[in-house]
Amino acid sequence: GDSVTQTEGLVTLTEGLPVMLNCTYQTIYSNPFLFWYVQHLNESPRLLLKSFTDNKRTEHQGFHATLHKSSSSFHLQKSSAQLSDSALYYCALSSGSFNKLTFGAGTRLAVCP
Amino acid sequence: DAGVTQTPRHEVAEKGQTIILKCEPVSGHNDLFWYRQTKIQGLELLSYFRSKSLMEDGGAFKDRFKAEMLNSSFSTLKIQPTEPKDSAVYLCASSLLGVYEQYFGPGTRLTVL
Repeated sequence: GDSVTQTEGLVTLTEGLPVMLNCTYQTIYSNPFLFWYVQHLNESPRLLLKSFTDNKRTEHQGFHATLHKSSSSFHLQKSSAQLSDSALYYCALSSGSFNKLTFGAGTRLAVCP
Repeated sequence: DAGVTQTPRHEVAEKGQTIILKCEPVSGHNDLFWYRQTKIQGLELLSYFRSKSLMEDGGAFKDRFKAEMLNSSFSTLKIQPTEPKDSAVYLCASSLLGVYEQYFGPGTRLTVL
């Protein structure tokens, strides 16, 4: 079945430094849809980014990610971290004909002053 | 438009009790999902409905967890009997056919004593 791997459980960095959260996936389908969801403390997950197109950068709220089917990756990046970026980030995959998402384990980003 | 609503927001139960959690999806959405979220396991899919039909019933949760969708605008999740290990946040999400983005409700925080 489908799977999503987020290698870092916790990423801690200083405000102003670049952010990169890793996400790789496995699926037998040739046209996967990839997503990043963000969950701030005491809130529910909400969509941050999505991509259906190979090698095309997608951006939202200062974050960006590019789906690379050749490496089955969809890493999340931001040039300069802000304190307000501290949250739990989930990478998710949808494939096949259903809207079901397969979530990774999540990466907690902690940005310090 | 109203988002996904969930009630109650908090529930405290004694071990062995039956509890029912409720969810109203975004109006017009075809797909409804129930998830359990814990710090250790992350997001786990419990049930998935498409147009009120049960599409997936999370295998590990079948014995004490039962989700139903009696109409397109209301779903319940029954846990019977509850156990302390069921303490978690239960999230409901909905999505529109073909759009793939899932909208999450605020969640119900369940504590089983």
